[in-house]
Amino acid sequence: AQKVTQAQTEISVVEKEDVTLDCVYETRDTTYYLFWYKQPPSGELVFLIRRNSFDEQNEISGRYSWNFQKSTSSFNFTITASQVVDSAVYFCALIFLNSNSGYALNFGKGTSLLVTP
Amino acid sequence: NAGVTQTPKFRILKIGQSMTLQCAQDMNHNYMYWYRQDPGMGLKLIYYSVGAGITDKGEVPNGYNVSRSTTEDFPLRLELAAPSQTSVYFCASSPRTSGGEETQYFGPGTRLLVL
Repeated sequence: AQKVTQAQTEISVVEKEDVTLDCVYETRDTTYYLFWYKQPPSGELVFLIRRNSFDEQNEISGRYSWNFQKSTSSFNFTITASQVVDSAVYFCALIFLNSNSGYALNFGKGTSLLVTP
Repeated sequence: NAGVTQTPKFRILKIGQSMTLQCAQDMNHNYMYWYRQDPGMGLKLIYYSVGAGITDKGEVPNGYNVSRSTTEDFPLRLELAAPSQTSVYFCASSPRTSGGEETQYFGPGTRLLVL
């Protein structure tokens, strides 16, 4: 079964703290793709990163970094020196094959991050 | 490019009414998707399309219908609205994909309330 688990429902930090959002996934596929999306209070979904199963290199983009470990089926997301604007719901998602030719995203339930001044 | 656009932004329906949620993209993407997001939950796939004239069911298709007559448009139809369909609906699109690697881009969402 394809499944994405984000065990942290809500996290609250004070500005400038580092915070890590956990994502654990299950899949039978050997080739798969993982994503992180951000949903700010305004409601839109913003793409953050895509990672394929063959690339276990960590990724850093400014204050954001991602740690992908196939051995533990995890794709964790860290925000360094958090800011109030980082307050949002963050979703981890896994591509899964829906039928013979269709791919859709299998979302976790999301982690709500609140950064306070 | 406008990206993925959705109309309306918000709608209130009475039980039993019908409506069509509109979705359009101007990126010439082959793949389009409809998801729903219930409060405190992730998104669940309703229907998707891999190209004009081709649609298929997702995880939660009951109570909905779709059509794809053009590459650009992918409307979602609710025939007999029920309170269980109160949700936020997101349309997404992605380029032709051979292995699912292409990123999906989302519209701003339509908030639907069925009373």
